[in-house]
Order: sequence, then structure tokens, then C-alpha cells
Amino acid sequence: SQQGEEDPQALSIQEGENATMNCSYKTSINNLQWYRQNSGRGLVHLILIRSNEREKHSGRLRVTLDTSKKSSSLLITASRAADTASYFCATSIGSGDKLTFGTGTRLAVRP
Amino acid sequence: GAVVSQHPSRVICKSGTSVKIECRSLDFQATTMFWYRQFPKQSLMLMATSNEGSKATYEQGVEKDKFLINHASLTLSTLTVTSAHPEDSSFYICSASGDRGFSGEKLFFGSGTQLSVL
Repeated sequence: SQQGEEDPQALSIQEGENATMNCSYKTSINNLQWYRQNSGRGLVHLILIRSNEREKHSGRLRVTLDTSKKSSSLLITASRAADTASYFCATSIGSGDKLTFGTGTRLAVRP
Repeated sequence: GAVVSQHPSRVICKSGTSVKIECRSLDFQATTMFWYRQFPKQSLMLMATSNEGSKATYEQGVEKDKFLINHASLTLSTLTVTSAHPEDSSFYICSASGDRGFSGEKLFFGSGTQLSVL
């Protein structure tokens, strides 16, 4: 299936450190998006990167996209305890608006 | 930004009963809505895509007679879990596609519904 694989599955870091999550996918995409989900809650859209873009920034977030390797990374700098959540990549392929989600990374930031 | 309201946020029901979940776009017309299911500590799996005024398209392995989807207006889609069983217990999330923008760029998510079937 197209579902993206994310690694690591779980990540525990100290507040102030940087967190890096990786996502790999299988087919050509229109764009790739990153979402955050707090336990038992809905999704919060973080950032979108189009297939013709290589890097994008938003506040403490930095996303890269390598279409030749079919991979993306999300970097959260200067992490805070409030960043503790699950992070998912999601790809948009073909026409229409269907998103296919990755397996997710559970991030724990220790105060 | 655009808001998608999903209701209820949590429901507990007895095995064999049916449960209806509503997904409303509050300030835009949602031509397409998507329903996802998420088991604990797992990713979101797309169940079906619904377009206003037409039948929903179900993903492989999703029983259309068990998960009834109705998208009768441009602001409301409903998912009914019929004859629910404990294995249907899950977190259900809807998303709505707005009426402008590139593919996949204008999706807004509801806050999810935690279904527990006893």
C-alpha cells in the first residue's frame, strides 16, 4: 500500500533538544503534509510541502522533501514539553484530496 | 481558519446497537468528506470517501453495509456504524475538503469520535 513508514516509532528527548522524524513513501506524490495529534484528539495540520519544493520552515518546524528518495523529514527545534504528541506524515497522490497517512512517531519531551 | 465540527466526541453503546457520527463543515462548503478510523497507537486508515449527493466510495476491506455514509448536503456527512460490535471500538475522524485549492491542500479535520462498544 501507499502508507508511509515513519521512523522512529517512538522518540524520547529532553526539553530544549531537537527532534527529527522521518517519513518514507512509495509512489509519486502531489504534496506531503505533517500533522500532530495529542492523545485521543483530532489532527492539527503543521506544514505542507509540495512535490516541487525541497525545504520549508514554519516557526520551530523545518520540513525537507527528497522526491528522489521518496522521503521527508520533520525537525522540531528547541523542543518543549508541550510538543509531546504523535506526529504523522500524510501524502496526497493523483487527483482528488485523499490523504494516506504514515505510521506515526510518538514524541515524548521530558521537562 | 475553516472549522469542521464532529459530534459526538465520545460514545459508549451496547453491542448490536447502531451509532451515528456527524461531521459538519461550519464555514465552507465541503464537496468531499473523508472518514478515517484509528486504533490505539496506530495510524489513521481511510475508510471511505463521500461526495455530496452521490454514493460513498469505500476502501478495500471496509463493509459498506456496516458503515453507512450519507453526504446529503454540502455541510454535513454522517457515518452510521450499524449493529456495532466490540471490534468496532475505535477512534473515528472525518475530514472535509474545501471548494478551492490544490489537491490535498484544503483539508480540515474534525476532532474525532471515540466509540466504545460494550
